[in-house]
Amino acid sequence: ETGVTQTPRHLVMGMTNKKSLKCEQHLGHNAMYWYKQSAKKPLELMFVYNFKEQTENNSVPSRFSPECPNSSHLFLHLHTLQPEDSALYLCASSPSEGRADTQYFGPGTRLTVL
Amino acid sequence: GENVEQHPSTLSVQEGDSAVIKCTYSDSASNYFPWYKQELGKGPQLIIDIRSNVGEKKDQRIAVTLNKTAKHFSLHITETQPEDSAVYFCAAFSGAGSYQLTFGKGTKLSVIP
Repeated sequence: ETGVTQTPRHLVMGMTNKKSLKCEQHLGHNAMYWYKQSAKKPLELMFVYNFKEQTENNSVPSRFSPECPNSSHLFLHLHTLQPEDSALYLCASSPSEGRADTQYFGPGTRLTVL
Repeated sequence: GENVEQHPSTLSVQEGDSAVIKCTYSDSASNYFPWYKQELGKGPQLIIDIRSNVGEKKDQRIAVTLNKTAKHFSLHITETQPEDSAVYFCAAFSGAGSYQLTFGKGTKLSVIP
């Protein structure tokens, strides 16, 4: 176990649904990240939070909405997704953003959009 | 921004043989290079990393080498075992500008018993 948990592990949703992904880290880190992992593509960084403040939004469509209520929890709210949004969504944490530190990943949420 | 190329995309080796995965990066300001292993149904797990002030690092059967001049780094796994079968990702951290980890596309390693 890496100290980063994600729920749910699997999610199937229709294009009109609204759902949320949850991430929790027990490592005392201050930076948290959302990545999208699609087949045959590099991991794509979506959002970064540092000390609860969003510091990066890598041109992610507004149908993905992140929330970071504290340094231990990170959410990704989903609404009106498209089938091409089907992927593995990974959460990661590190001591702080902007430093060359190891990022620790959760197991991911496998999302399927019908 | 940083660009990381990783080769090969798939690699099959016999158990006991060595495996080598190579990555190149584009940003000369990159200073941290982790390697991750991802098993089926799991998130990527760090297996070894190297910083730009070091040329080589070893941890039991795993070693990483870094050539800053040529901007490439490699993962070496010796005496491979079936449990080494997984997808391996290299990454580079740029200390200038974006402060992000940029990942390669991954190498699927299969160790044949």
